[in-house]
Parts: sequence; structure tokens; C-alpha cells
Amino acid sequence: KQEVTQIPAALSVPEGENLVLNCSFTDSAIYNLQWFRQDPGKGLTSLLLIQSSQREQTSGRLNASLDKSSGRSTLYIAASQPGDSATYLCAVHSGGSNYKLTFGKGTLLTVNP
Amino acid sequence: DADVTQTPRNRITKTGKRIMLECSQTKGHDRMYWYRQDPGLGLRLIYYSFDVKDINKGEISDGYSVSRQAQAKFSLSLESAIPNQTALYFCATSEASYSGANVLTFGAGSRLTVL
Repeated sequence: KQEVTQIPAALSVPEGENLVLNCSFTDSAIYNLQWFRQDPGKGLTSLLLIQSSQREQTSGRLNASLDKSSGRSTLYIAASQPGDSATYLCAVHSGGSNYKLTFGKGTLLTVNP
Repeated sequence: DADVTQTPRNRITKTGKRIMLECSQTKGHDRMYWYRQDPGLGLRLIYYSFDVKDINKGEISDGYSVSRQAQAKFSLSLESAIPNQTALYFCATSEASYSGANVLTFGAGSRLTVL
């Protein structure tokens, strides 16, 4: 059974800092890994999707890496801003014929002005 | 208008009542999903549908049923609501992709409270 763990559960940083959020998964047989952002009271917004054959994806100040063999992914946020404050979730799409997307519990990020 | 619309956004009901949560999408996606989110438990898949004639149970389908009325509509029903079904419910959609790339588009969520 795939298990996805996100560390830390919460993170508070001053504005302007670079930061890294971590995601680990137990079964390396994955199709892809996605990072989402969730604002309070709202749905999830997809930030980046990394295919199993890829090592990283970039979008603006965000960079996500994937090391499938070690079961790890990181989300790097450069020059953090108060507007980045949200919960960040990673989700792993596991292999096999049946659909299976397993979410981590998220990291609550607070960027202080 | 939102790409994925959920109604109602908030609902308070009593134990034993029948509840329906509705989801409609304008993305033109074939695949639709229902998740619930609980504090400390993350998101868990209830049901998913890859097309109008394809309905599949997720990891926590007991106590729930779904109906895919059209490509754009996917509703979730609680036949007899119980307090531990109090949660935030999300509908999501994605394109059909056999390469494994399933970028999900989520609705804003429906907060259900069962007293």
C-alpha cells in the first residue's frame, strides 16, 4: 500500500527566504507525482506534475524534484512571499491498472511579512 | 464561472437524512472523482468515474453512492448521513491519459456537517 509522508507538517518563515518542502513515498512504482496548493476554504490548485521519467519541473519561483529510487520529492520555493502562505500537498499516482492517487497530509506554510 | 462547480458549498444536516452533493464541470474532461478531506487524514478517494458508464469505488466508498448523469455531472449521495461523514468534500476532474499524466482540477469544496 502506497503511503505518502510530508515533512514538516507546518513551517513558518520570514518573507524573502528560500525554502524546501519534503514529500516521501513508500512504493517507487509510480506514474507521476503532483504538488498542489490549498488555500483556506478553497479547493486544490495543481502546481507541478513530474512524470516518473523526469527529475524536475519548474514553474516560476517553484521547482519540484523527484528521486523515484529513494521515494522522495522536494518542492523548492524561491524568494518566498506572504501570498505563498497556504497548505502544500503532494500526491503520488501509483502504477497498476487501477487508478490510485495517494495524497500526503500537507505542509502548512506561513510566510511572515 | 469556475471550471468545476460544487453545490452546495455548505450544508448542515441531521443524522439519518439523505444528502446529495452535486458537481458539474466545463472542462470537457472524461474523468471525475469525489474525495473527502478530514483534518489529520488528508484526502481520501470515495468514488471515481472514467466515463459515463464507468463507476469505480475508491478507498472509502461505504456509506456513499454516486451517479454520473452526463459527462459533465457527477453527484455524490449519502443515503443516511451519520456524524462521522462530517468532512470537506471535493470533486475533481481530469483528462483521460494513458501516459499516466492526470493533472486534477478541483472544485472549491462542499463542507458537510452531520449533527
